[in-house]
Amino acid sequence: SQTIHQWPATLVQPVGSPLSLECTVEGTSNPNLYWYRQAAGRGLQLLFYSVGIGQISSEVPQNLSASRPQDRQFILSSKKLLLSDSGFYLCAWSPTTGPGTGFGYTFGSGTRLTVV
Amino acid sequence: KNQVEQSPQSLIILEGKNCTLQCNYTVSPFSNLRWYKQDTGRGPVSLTIMTFSENTKSNGRYTATLDADTKQSSLHITASQLSDSASYICVVRGYQKVTFGTGTKLQVIP
Repeated sequence: SQTIHQWPATLVQPVGSPLSLECTVEGTSNPNLYWYRQAAGRGLQLLFYSVGIGQISSEVPQNLSASRPQDRQFILSSKKLLLSDSGFYLCAWSPTTGPGTGFGYTFGSGTRLTVV
Repeated sequence: KNQVEQSPQSLIILEGKNCTLQCNYTVSPFSNLRWYKQDTGRGPVSLTIMTFSENTKSNGRYTATLDADTKQSSLHITASQLSDSASYICVVRGYQKVTFGTGTKLQVIP
């Protein structure tokens, strides 16, 4: 069965420090991968998505970047964190082929980032 | 513009009672609609998914309905339990685009 791992669960970082959040998927090949941010009391905002290794699409301009060095690994990064980067970050995957195609996402457990 | 609106924003109900959450969308063309449950501080977990031809889908005490003509969906929770306290998110998929609702925060109290 497919599983998605996201870490760390919580993170407190000072302003100006770098960021690296990692997400890996098991049990599937060539998944679509996504990074979302959820601000307190707000809906999910799509930050990046990837349809393949090295292929990254950004939905909103921001202080963050994403990379996909391997088929089932998705990394969210920042060189210098801002206070406004605080939030709940979720990684998700969806299949690109087969019966589940287009049928939605499986989310990771999330990372609570607090920039101080 | 594709939009998904959920109501109410928040809801408090007594344990054992039923409740219904609403989702109205303007996404077009429509592909499917999914309800997620998100516990505080956790990632969303899928409850049900419905395509255009499906009117009702159940998952235990959760029953989702879909009216593709009026572009409305509801999630009915029967005999609520304390563990149902969570945010419920409606997600609508169109053509190559997924739109998330802002969710309904449900609190079940004893």
